[in-house]
Order: sequence, then C-alpha cells, then structure tokens
Amino acid sequence: EAQVTQNPRYLITVTGKKLTVTCSQNMNHEYMSWYRQDPGLGLRQIYYSMNVEVTDKGDVPEGYKVSRKEKRNFPLILESPSPNQTSLYFCASSLSRRSYNSPLHFGNGTRLTVT
Amino acid sequence: GENVEQHPSTLSVQEGDSAVIKCTYSDSASNYFPWYKQELGKGPQLIIDIRSNVGEKKDQRIAVTLNKTAKHFSLHITETQPEDSAVYFCAASSAAGNKLTFGGGTRVLVKP
Repeated sequence: EAQVTQNPRYLITVTGKKLTVTCSQNMNHEYMSWYRQDPGLGLRQIYYSMNVEVTDKGDVPEGYKVSRKEKRNFPLILESPSPNQTSLYFCASSLSRRSYNSPLHFGNGTRLTVT
Repeated sequence: GENVEQHPSTLSVQEGDSAVIKCTYSDSASNYFPWYKQELGKGPQLIIDIRSNVGEKKDQRIAVTLNKTAKHFSLHITETQPEDSAVYFCAASSAAGNKLTFGGGTRVLVKP
C-alpha cells in the first residue's frame, strides 16, 4: 500500500532530551516536507527537501533539524526540545518537486508533548 | 512571504444544507490552490484543487471558485452529509512551486 509512515504516533518527553521522529514513504517521491499543526494556525512548514541531500528551511525551522540521506526517509530531529514545540507533526511527500504538479500525501501525524 | 487567511474557523450545518469556506491570499503570483480534508486522527488529504487560469471547478458535491483579481477562493459543499464532518484546509502554492502555504483550517460539523 502506498503510504507515508511516521513513528511514533505519540511521544511525551522532557525539555532538552534529544528526539527523532521518523518518516518514510514507499512511493519513490521526490519531494518531502515536515509541518506542524497548531490550533488556529493551520499547517506551518518546518523544512522541506526536493532531492536527496538537498534540504531547505520552511516558515518555522528554529529548533529543528532534518536530513535526506535516502530518497525514502526524511527524519525530523529536535536536538533540545522545548515546551513550545509541543504540537501535532505531519510528514508529507509528493511525486513532483513542484507543489502545483502533484498532491501532497500526508502521514497520520505524531503528537509530541514536551514537559 | 505568502499569507493565507481562512474563514470561518468553525462551521456547523444541518445535514443536507450547503457549506461555504472562504480563503484569501496575499501573493498575486500564486497559481495553484488545493483544498485538503483532515478526518479525525488522520493526515490531510487532497479533495479538490484549482489553477489560476480557471475560475471554477466541480467534482460531484464539491466545487471551488477562484477570483484572482480579489485574491480569494472558496470551497462549496452541497447536500452535506455526516461524513463531510472534518477539518478543511485551503492552501496556495508559490509561483516557484517549492512550497504550499496553508490557511488556519475550518472545522465543519454536519448535524444529522
């Protein structure tokens, strides 16, 4: 089944403890992206990647890191999480590098709580 | 950068009535406007989209309209059903196509 898989679905951690949220897609998509969803703010882009080894900042990149060593994987790394990073996170992928050429496919989300 | 505003934030309708969600965008160069539906516990899923060279597009009970001059676009759902209850997001694509900017979302509740 074609899908974007995120893990874990739920994560509770403490301030400063490094964590990684994994994202994998099995559709051979070129484009991958991370978003955070907060009430009233919609989906805000954190980082995106248009190709292996190519990543770029989105609108809210502070406090996050990403890597794209393989086409299928795009992990999100929080080196020193803080409470303001408590949010619902989505990974998404798209066949085309251009957002107007093919739709985004989203994972089912990771709910992160930082205490 | 692009700014997309979406209204209303919540919408309650009676089953069978119509629902309308409106979005405005700031970048006149934006050229692609998708709508995503997010069901509880899931990621958003594309339901319909419209390009800047088209004024209206329909797909069964849903339709989108685009007014480029006014920089706003709308989603119309007719004959609403309980399964239409979800959060809906509008978005606008940058002219370069390297990012989508989303609106704040509309929670739609269809009452039986």
